[in-house]
Amino acid sequence: KAGVTQTPRYLIKTRGQQVTLSCSPISGHRSVSWYQQTPGQGLQFLFEYFSETQRNKGNFPGRFSGRQFSNSRSEMNVSTLELGDSALYLCASSFTYNEQFFGPGTRLTVL
Amino acid sequence: SQQGEEDPQALSIQEGENATMNCSYKTSINNLQWYRQNSGRGLVHLILIRSNEREKHSGRLRVTLDTSKKSSSLLITASRAADTASYFCATDAGGTSYGKLTFGQGTILTVHP
Repeated sequence: KAGVTQTPRYLIKTRGQQVTLSCSPISGHRSVSWYQQTPGQGLQFLFEYFSETQRNKGNFPGRFSGRQFSNSRSEMNVSTLELGDSALYLCASSFTYNEQFFGPGTRLTVL
Repeated sequence: SQQGEEDPQALSIQEGENATMNCSYKTSINNLQWYRQNSGRGLVHLILIRSNEREKHSGRLRVTLDTSKKSSSLLITASRAADTASYFCATDAGGTSYGKLTFGQGTILTVHP
């Protein structure tokens, strides 16, 4: 089975812009979770989608949003980018309440 | 905020030695998972241990879980230079915490050839 894929792998944006990141889960996995990783805060949970529904959300401002499509692919969007949004964004997919399998991440740099 | 603490924060050993990393957490869990991350890349799943298990093995990995102390340990035996990476424990609280893993700050392991 192909692993979790994320596009793009690297992104450079300027403050105030918005960005959309994409995640394709492992075939058959219906749950997709997103995480933000920074040197200061570590790995933090953003949100989780299952069957196109957001079931859980972390403690992030409303500028962070996401969605999931009927084929389980997911996107996350960050609007009005701030310097502090520079991070590695990771998505993970899982089949049930089991292991989460992570993609390679998208490294976002905000200038 | 992070669920718990990992210690040590950094560990440096020689090839062939064993490496032990510890993780503590704060709330009750459904399972605990260990991940490896190389140089800011994606996380690689290593092993999952459920709350009703005490010990689990996978190849050179041995994980223990003590729910009464809210702690876990990861032992890597006969370390190799390729084991050099950051190691994270992550807890799944189950219930309505759908898809949410809470990570520790990680242990940076360096294995010298």
